[in-house]
Amino acid sequence: SQKIEQNSEALNIQEGKTATLTCNYTNYSPAYLQWYRQDPGRGPVFLLLIRENEKEKRKERLKVTFDTTLKQSLFHITASQPADSATYLCALVRGGGNKLTFGTGTQLKVEL
Amino acid sequence: ETGVTQTPRHLVMGMTNKKSLKCEQHLGHNAMYWYKQSAKKPLELMFVYSLEERVENNSVPSRFSPECPNSSHLFLHLHTLQPEDSALYLCASSQKQGIEKLFFGSGTQLSVL
Repeated sequence: SQKIEQNSEALNIQEGKTATLTCNYTNYSPAYLQWYRQDPGRGPVFLLLIRENEKEKRKERLKVTFDTTLKQSLFHITASQPADSATYLCALVRGGGNKLTFGTGTQLKVEL
Repeated sequence: ETGVTQTPRHLVMGMTNKKSLKCEQHLGHNAMYWYKQSAKKPLELMFVYSLEERVENNSVPSRFSPECPNSSHLFLHLHTLQPEDSALYLCASSQKQGIEKLFFGSGTQLSVL
């Protein structure tokens, strides 16, 4: 079965810096990869989707990369703000499949 | 507001109780999902409904019983739960079943005593 690894330790960064979160996967290559944001006591909120034939996707201050050779996706938040503090989840869809598999998420804390 | 509403937000129940979780989506979506989120664990898919038909039952114990009376409403009936069932239960919807992005509700935090 697919295994997704996200850094379980919280990432603390200073306001204004770029936050980089990692999502590594094993076994099969996903056709799609999604990133979600989850605040305490709330459900996840969709942020970005990137396909296997795309290297990079951007949305405002967010950037996602997808390296099928390294089996890794990186999620970047530039000019980070305290309001970006949350847990970020990556989720994969297997090629030919129709089910999202989620990672455990990485907690980001942006400090003043 | 994501367009997916879950009630109640919090629920405490004994192991012999029967309760139901409710989910309603106002997005006109055709697929609805129940997920379980436990501390330090990934979201676990429990059930998937597409056009009101159950298309996925992810080896969930029979003490969890879903119901989808129409494309806007989804229930999770709970009966004889165990303490290890305590978790955040999330409802989600998508335009259609598959790789579409999911819209989640805020969840029901369930505690089983």
